[in-house]
Formats: sequence, structure tokens, C-alpha cells
Amino acid sequence: GEDVEQSLFLSVREGDSSVINCTYTDSSSTYLYWYKQEPGAGLQLLTYIFSNMDMKQDQRLTVLLNKKDKHLSLRIADTQTGDSAIYFCAERVDYKLSFGAGTTVTVRA
Amino acid sequence: DSGVTQTPKHLITATGQRVTLRCSPRSGDLSVYWYQQSLDQGLQFLIQYYNGEERAKGNILERFSAQQFPDLHSELNLSSLELGDSALYFCASSVDRGSVDTGELFFGEGSRLTVL
Repeated sequence: GEDVEQSLFLSVREGDSSVINCTYTDSSSTYLYWYKQEPGAGLQLLTYIFSNMDMKQDQRLTVLLNKKDKHLSLRIADTQTGDSAIYFCAERVDYKLSFGAGTTVTVRA
Repeated sequence: DSGVTQTPKHLITATGQRVTLRCSPRSGDLSVYWYQQSLDQGLQFLIQYYNGEERAKGNILERFSAQQFPDLHSELNLSSLELGDSALYFCASSVDRGSVDTGELFFGEGSRLTVL
């Protein structure tokens, strides 16, 4: 079955890199996603990676996928105060997306 | 703006009552998903509809039901409400056109339900 786990909190200094980690259990995942939720808003897709890829880079975002260990990470370079939010990892199996509990990222000056 | 509209934004009701949450998906999206977000359980998948038919079911209680109408809008009905049903209920939509589709979900801003 699907089970996505991620750490709950991350505090990072402005300008540093943030790394958010996630593990999933279903090896038949086709896509893996990172969503961002700002206060009072719905989730918004940040980036995704297809399961046959190891890495994807998109401006300040780098996604690494280790299929053997079922580990996904999101690196945010040069973290800004606007990056403070909850970040959700999600996996897609068939038609269903399962989300982790979310990592609350706090950026301190 | 994701293009997904949810109403009402806030709802306060009493235990034992019944409420209906409404969702209008993005224009052209055939799939609608419902999620429940609570502090202690994170984001839980409830149910998915595709072009009017139920496609996938998650952790949806028997007291809850949903449907998708011919115009593709969807409603989530919550009945015999309990204190523990207080949560943020999200609707999301996606294109869902098979292999060419990355499965991206577009989320509404949610309906916050408070049961007193």
C-alpha cells in the first residue's frame, strides 16, 4: 500500500540551502511530486519527477530520486523568506496521489 | 488562482448535523479528488471521481458520500457530524488523460469545517 513519510519541521537560515527528505513504500509509483502550501491556501505543485529519472533541476529546486531506497528529496538553493511554507511529498500509484504529512519549513533571517 | 473553486470557505455547525461542500473543477478537467486535512492526520485522500464515475476510494467514512454531476462539479456530503470531523476539506482536479498526463493536481483553497 501507499505510505509516504517525511520529517515534520525544518528551520533554515535565509540564503542557505534547504533539504527536505521523503520516503515512500510503493515501488509501482509512476510520478513523485513536491507540493507547497502557504498559509490559508491550497496546495500548489512545485515540481515532479518521473519514476525512471534520478534527478531533476528547475531553477532553485533540485529533486533527487533513489528508487532502490524509495527516497525522494527536494533541495531549495538560496532559501528566501518566501519559501516558508509546508512542503508535501506525494506519490502517484494508478489514479491515486498519496501525500506525506508535510514538512513545515521556517526561514529565519 | 488554481481555477478550482470551493464553497463555502468556512462552515461552523453542530454535532449530528449534515453539510454539503461544493467544488467546481478547472475548465476541462475530468477528475475531481477530495482530501481531508487535519492537524493529527495530515492530508488524507477521501475519494476520486472521473467524468461522473467513482474511480478510487480512500479513507472515506461511511457517513461521508460524494458525487460528480454531468457538468463535472462535485459535492461532498458529510452527515452525523462529529467533533473529529473538524478539518480543512480540499477539492482538487486534474486532466487525467492517461500516459500524456503527469497527474498534476490543482487544488482549491479548501472549505474549513468546524464542528462544535
